[in-house]
Amino acid sequence: AQKVTQAQTEISVVEKEDVTLDCVYETRDTTYYLFWYKQPPSGELVFLIRRNSFDEQNEISGRYSWNFQKSTSSFNFTITASQVVDSAVYFCALSEVSNSGYALNFGKGTSLLVTP
Amino acid sequence: DAGVTQSPTHLIKTRGQQVTLRCSPKSGHDTVSWYQQALGQGPQFIFQYYEEEERQRGNFPDRFSGHQFPNYSSELNVNALLLGDSALYLCASSLANWGSTDTQYFGPGTRLTVL
Repeated sequence: AQKVTQAQTEISVVEKEDVTLDCVYETRDTTYYLFWYKQPPSGELVFLIRRNSFDEQNEISGRYSWNFQKSTSSFNFTITASQVVDSAVYFCALSEVSNSGYALNFGKGTSLLVTP
Repeated sequence: DAGVTQSPTHLIKTRGQQVTLRCSPKSGHDTVSWYQQALGQGPQFIFQYYEEEERQRGNFPDRFSGHQFPNYSSELNVNALLLGDSALYLCASSLANWGSTDTQYFGPGTRLTVL
């Protein structure tokens, strides 16, 4: 069973629009970690954020913000005032401590295209 | 501060051959994980090495094997290559953190094409 679902396969926005990337996860663990990574066309996965299951505070970093809601098992990512350089594939990932806690289970990714 | 490095960048092999991919972790990291990313998919966990031993393994056949050296660098070996092994192979490094999950930092990947 897929543990991380990113229902949006592709999103296209015009520069300066806000965009939200959805991530829904599934786990029976009470302790787990959630991540977002960005993969530009070059292929390298770039780490964006790490959240543990006990910290539901939303986080803002510049134009990026994350909304973690355990009640809906969601960890959504919003880019405010998008820019062309934000074009990439974005992956949400889950790590479960009970499962040795080492493997990252990735969603299938959301491809974001920002046009001028 | 050097990040995660991988070699080679690209590789072309034929079915049945064997391949070795290499990874050097980020400075200060002691743990290396390998992932396979097929086109249009998310990365799939192959295995993780710590203290020169395989600590956890994903759902991959025994044709996939690895090694970690005393300097923490790692190799991924794939025997009897199949067409389906064509993918981007990503190496990630982290700092061992028992009972928790440290952030994994990824290298640029090795693009393997099997003909």
